[in-house]
Amino acid sequence: QSVLTQPPSVSGAPGQRVTISCTGSSSNIGAGYDVHWYQHHPGTAPKLLISANTNRPSGVPGRFSGSRSGTSASLAITGLQAEDEADYYCQSYDSSLIVFVFGGGTKLTVL
Amino acid sequence: EVQLVESGGGLVQPGGSLRLSCAASGFTFSNYWMSWVRQAPGKGLEWVANIKQDGSERYFVDSVKGRFTISRDNARNSLFLQMDSLRAEDTAVYSCAREPREGYCRSTACFDYWGQGTLVTVSS
Repeated sequence: QSVLTQPPSVSGAPGQRVTISCTGSSSNIGAGYDVHWYQHHPGTAPKLLISANTNRPSGVPGRFSGSRSGTSASLAITGLQAEDEADYYCQSYDSSLIVFVFGGGTKLTVL
Repeated sequence: EVQLVESGGGLVQPGGSLRLSCAASGFTFSNYWMSWVRQAPGKGLEWVANIKQDGSERYFVDSVKGRFTISRDNARNSLFLQMDSLRAEDTAVYSCAREPREGYCRSTACFDYWGQGTLVTVSS
């Protein structure tokens, strides 16, 4: 059971928009800790996709965007492409557990 | 180009030990906090431990406290994870990751570069 809750899977057709939610609590996202998002193609190194809720590191396409509100955060991907098929993880910090915490991961399938 | 390359994984019996290494290049290693993150088969990511630039602060997830030790050699641009009293539930791919405590990750640390990981299997 992950501290941050993500849907196990989402899917969409090429060109469509999908969103991935990340739900936390008052000791992590709700406490004001930033949320970061990672893209992970199995067998490769995870890639930082969104930092501090909304910021795209250099090289990340504008199709990826993030938001945070209350105890939740979301990752949106527009104009889905085949190469977007991967696992996506949210990450924050929990002040009660005193550890970095990840969501359980969401597998994105491009139909 | 930032590169992180892990080594040292393998098959070990329960109760055994293993030492993982992470070779860093392409950046000033001594300027960064570094972490180990693991992924058990079919599971999500789990942060394991991290260490400050000069090694003066180290933190661990509860499940490995007292069994794992994190260290670094800034002269050799290397990060280590000594794992003792290994258990079946420690079976995972272990990756090292860089923690930039600046810019957008200044408020809540993130992991901007990762290695591909090394597989640790604990089984009899």
